[in-house]
Amino acid sequence: GAGVSQTPSNKVTEKGKYVELRCDPISGHTALYWYRQSLGQGPEFLIYFQGTGAADDSGLPNDRFFAVRPEGSVSTLKIQRTERGDSAVYLCASSLAGATYEQYFGPGTRLTVT
Amino acid sequence: ELKVEQNPLFLSMQEGKNYTIYCNYSTTSDRLYWYRQDPGKSLESLFVLLSNGAVKQEGRLMASLDTKARLSTLHITAAVHDLSATYFCAVGYGGSQGNLIFGKGTKLSVKP
Repeated sequence: GAGVSQTPSNKVTEKGKYVELRCDPISGHTALYWYRQSLGQGPEFLIYFQGTGAADDSGLPNDRFFAVRPEGSVSTLKIQRTERGDSAVYLCASSLAGATYEQYFGPGTRLTVT
Repeated sequence: ELKVEQNPLFLSMQEGKNYTIYCNYSTTSDRLYWYRQDPGKSLESLFVLLSNGAVKQEGRLMASLDTKARLSTLHITAAVHDLSATYFCAVGYGGSQGNLIFGKGTKLSVKP
C-alpha cells in the first residue's frame, strides 16, 4: 500500500516568512510524528500525535513551531518567522498504536531558509 | 535526559569482512530500533527489538539487545557494497512511548 507522503519535497523561503509542511500518514495509522534532521545528524523528535491530539510536543524548539492534525489523519507543521537555523529536512513518520510502535518514515521535506 | 551514542561514526570496510556497530543508551528503555538511510533518502526500518536478549537477523545483518547493559549491536557478516549506507539506532523514550531518540548514525562504506 501507499507509504507516508510529504509535500512539498523541497521548500526554499526567505528569512522571516511563514511555511507549512504537509504529511499524509499511512492509512489506518493513528500515531503521527514529526522529526527534523540536520546534515550529518540523526533525526530529532519534534512532536507526536495520537489521533487528533498532540500527545507529546516536548521537542518543538520554540513557539514559532506549531503542528496540527485536525481530523486525525493529515498533519501540517507550521513554522512562523523562519530563521536560517530552521533549514533542515523535516521528516514525518506514522505508526499503528500497538506494542511495537514501529515508525514508518516519509521521504521528508527539505527546507532551506535564505 | 536520554542520550544515545553510536560507534563508530564512520566505518570503511572491505567486502567479505565482518564488523559490529554499537549503540549505547543512558536510561532505561524497552524498545530499540535500527534504521538504514541511503544518501538523500528517508529512513528504512530494519529491526525492532523489544526485550532483553532479543536477536533478529535479516540477510547479512543481525541485531541484538541487552537492556541491562543498555547496549544494542548491529553485526554485519561478509559485507557487500549494497550495504553501504548510514545506520541509525533509536531508543523509545517518554511516557507516551512515542518519542524516539536517535543516535548520530554510523556511515558505512563497503569497498571492493
